[in-house]
Amino acid sequence: QVQLLESGGGLVKPGGSLRLSCAASGFTFSDYYMSWIRQAPGKGLEWVSYMSSSGVTIYYADSVKGRFTISRDNAKSLLYLQMSSLRAEDTALYYCARGYNFAYNWGQGTLVTVSS
Amino acid sequence: QSALTQPASVSGSPGQSITISCTGTSSDVWNYNLVSWYQQHPGKAPKLMIYEDYKRPSGVSNRFSGSKSGNTASLTISGLQAEDEADYYCCSYTRSSVLFGGGTKLTVL
Repeated sequence: QVQLLESGGGLVKPGGSLRLSCAASGFTFSDYYMSWIRQAPGKGLEWVSYMSSSGVTIYYADSVKGRFTISRDNAKSLLYLQMSSLRAEDTALYYCARGYNFAYNWGQGTLVTVSS
Repeated sequence: QSALTQPASVSGSPGQSITISCTGTSSDVWNYNLVSWYQQHPGKAPKLMIYEDYKRPSGVSNRFSGSKSGNTASLTISGLQAEDEADYYCCSYTRSSVLFGGGTKLTVL
């Protein structure tokens, strides 16, 4: 069955950087758009970024544009989110998801905390 | 773009039907057949319940149905069960953004 396993979260100071990873299995990773979606503690969902199967089409929410970079390694079935210039408002549980116009499968998330 | 508008909470008794609305604009909900709905239980990842306005993924109960009229999409849950108590989020894809609603807490009385 489809599995998405996020890693790389942790505590980081404002202005710092972090790279999240998502290991995918159970489907042909290279055939699918993939996304990052986040949820601040006690808050709603925000679609952060998505990337097409080939990597050509990329979307970023305005809130992260210029600070976050999505990438993928189709040979290893891995999705990444490089986050820089982190702010307190980036504190959230970050989910990896399959799809871009809807999220068909979700991982369990990795927690990013931005605090001094 | 602004988030989609959902009621903060709805409630119903077991066996009843409830409807959660999701209001957008002519630039998102109305213009694309790409509204999706997600169920989230406390401490769990969201789960896709409806996609492309009304389609149900394999394994989702047919008690869940989606519809749309103009700028407003709706999720209807019939035959309410205790396990339906959760947060529900709508989402609309557009060429320039992917928008979520603020979420609706469903309480089964």
